[in-house]
Amino acid sequence: KAGVTQTPRYLIKTRGQQVTLSCSPISGHRSVSWYQQTPGQGLQFLFEYFSETQRNKGNFPGRFSGRQFSNSRSEMNVSTLELGDSALYLCASSSRMDRGYNEQFFGPGTRLTVL
Amino acid sequence: GENVEQHPSTLSVQEGDSAVIKCTYSDSASNYFPWYKQELGKGPQLIIDIRSNVGEKKDQRIAVTLNKTAKHFSLHITETQPEDSAVYFCAASNSRRGSTLGRLYFGRGTQLTVWP
Repeated sequence: KAGVTQTPRYLIKTRGQQVTLSCSPISGHRSVSWYQQTPGQGLQFLFEYFSETQRNKGNFPGRFSGRQFSNSRSEMNVSTLELGDSALYLCASSSRMDRGYNEQFFGPGTRLTVL
Repeated sequence: GENVEQHPSTLSVQEGDSAVIKCTYSDSASNYFPWYKQELGKGPQLIIDIRSNVGEKKDQRIAVTLNKTAKHFSLHITETQPEDSAVYFCAASNSRRGSTLGRLYFGRGTQLTVWP
């Protein structure tokens, strides 16, 4: 089975711009979660999508948003980029409703650099 | 919310020795505890997990123990090899069957270095 794929792998943007990141979950997985990883804050939960609906949201400003499509692929968007948004953005895929516990499998991440 | 603390932040061992990483959590409702290994330039890889109804789980050279009363869990790696060198993260989650997926709360990571 192919793993979680994320595109692009690297992005360089300037302050004020917006960016869209894409995630394709493992085939058959219907849940996608997003995490931000930085040296200062570690791994922090952004949001989770299941069946095209946001089910859970972390403590991030409204500039961070996401969506999920009917094929379970997900995108996250960051508007009005700030320097502090530079991070590794990770997508995690889970079969979720098939099990009572959430085994989450991560993709390689998108490295976003804001200049 | 949940708070997960992880120790030590760095760990150096000789090849063949054992390595132990410890985590504590604060929310007694947490019921799922995965461990991830992250190599440079890669995403975290799930290596083992344990559920709250189990005290110990083993998979070849790695094992995890859970003490619900004390709210701590540990990762044990035996017969370490240089390829075990990576950053290891513990996490905690509250996830019940049919309920909203529990978000993962991560520890800050342990950089494990195995010297040949």
